[in-house]
Amino acid sequence: AQSVTQLDSQVPVFEEAPVELRCNYSSSVSVYLFWYVQYPNQGLQLLLKYLSGSTLVKGINGFEAEFNKSQTSFHLRKPSVHISDTAEYFCAVDTGRRALTFGSGTRLQVQP
Amino acid sequence: EAGVAQSPRYKIIEKRQSVAFWCNPISGHATLYWYQQILGQGPKLLIQFQNNGVVDDSQLPKDRFSAERLKGVDSTLKIQPAKLEDSAVYLCASSFSWTNTGELFFGEGSRLTVL
Repeated sequence: AQSVTQLDSQVPVFEEAPVELRCNYSSSVSVYLFWYVQYPNQGLQLLLKYLSGSTLVKGINGFEAEFNKSQTSFHLRKPSVHISDTAEYFCAVDTGRRALTFGSGTRLQVQP
Repeated sequence: EAGVAQSPRYKIIEKRQSVAFWCNPISGHATLYWYQQILGQGPKLLIQFQNNGVVDDSQLPKDRFSAERLKGVDSTLKIQPAKLEDSAVYLCASSFSWTNTGELFFGEGSRLTVL
């Protein structure tokens, strides 16, 4: 069975600072990897996904993530955050079953 | 394009009562999912439909939860009888097809409080 670990439950950061949200996964088979964002009182929205090819994936709102197979990681980064990036971020994996297994989430709190 | 619609947005019930949630996926999306998101946790898959057939319901507590997707379009998730630990947000999601790896489109969720 696959699992996803998000190491930080909360990440406070000042506006315009860089941020990294960590995600590690375990799976005995190849995986597809995703980051979703959930703004308050809204549904989850896809930020970016890794299916194959280049290990550096760019998504919406200036976010990017890098797939590292040897470290089984898929960390999310943004070089300069805005107040509007305050949200809950979820890492997820799909082992080909076309259903996602989510991590427990990381709350990003951007402070002015 | 209309998104995934869910209702009701909020529901408060007493334990042992029943509740039903409705989901209308994006038009043309063959695959529909119900997830349970308990406060402080990530969403957990309850059931996955392809058209009107069940693909995976291994994590659905079948003694109290049931779901159907008649005619392969909208879906209903029912809980009967509810327990305190069922308090959660129930998320519905859809995707274009079983063979499409990628984006699931989520509704805003139905928040259930069991007292």
